[in-house]
Amino acid sequence: SYELTQPPSVSVSPGQTARITCSGDALPKQYAYWYQQKPGQVPLLVISKDSERPSGIPERFSGSSSGTTVTLTISGVQAEDEADYYCQSADSSGSYVVFGGGTKLTVL
Amino acid sequence: EVHLVESGGGVVRPGGSLRLSCAASGFTFDDYVMHWVRQAPGKGLEWVSLINGDGDNTYYADSLKGRFTISRDNSKNSLYLQMNSLRTEDTALYYCAILTDFFDIWGQGTMVTVSS
Repeated sequence: SYELTQPPSVSVSPGQTARITCSGDALPKQYAYWYQQKPGQVPLLVISKDSERPSGIPERFSGSSSGTTVTLTISGVQAEDEADYYCQSADSSGSYVVFGGGTKLTVL
Repeated sequence: EVHLVESGGGVVRPGGSLRLSCAASGFTFDDYVMHWVRQAPGKGLEWVSLINGDGDNTYYADSLKGRFTISRDNSKNSLYLQMNSLRTEDTALYYCAILTDFFDIWGQGTMVTVSS
């Protein structure tokens, strides 16, 4: 079955830039979405269709795509950005949804 | 205001069955594809299934191997997940969700525990 691969953890200091990658063979064909999940909360969409920011999401969140890898970038990281981040996409048919394993962002 | 409220979770023995429900309000229910997503304790998100607005197209994660059935009743603004032959690895918080290009809506989840 199709898989998306994320690093288990990323650590940055406040004010620095965090980059979280997600790799999958179908990513050149299918959009990627990024969700933020803080402890005890439901997930929240922070990036849609590789690079679009939904209404209400701070400008420091951005997304990009290159080949089989998509990247979530958080510029000027704040303590409140500490959370688990999940990429989500679909297989090459577009019918089956998949989440990456998640990346824990730690703000040092 | 848009709301999704799951119910039907509980403790069940391995091999047992449960039917989860998700009550929707605040939007035109049959306009949207609906999803079930689960999260085992301390683990990541796992997509379970989706159903289109009319209910005539359904898709499931490979790992479920035909044990789960998703359905909807648009007259009742409700989504369902019938879970059979439950295994300990099905223990998780089950969310119903709307996942679109512009927004996402999640319920608070209903906990399913499979244990002898």
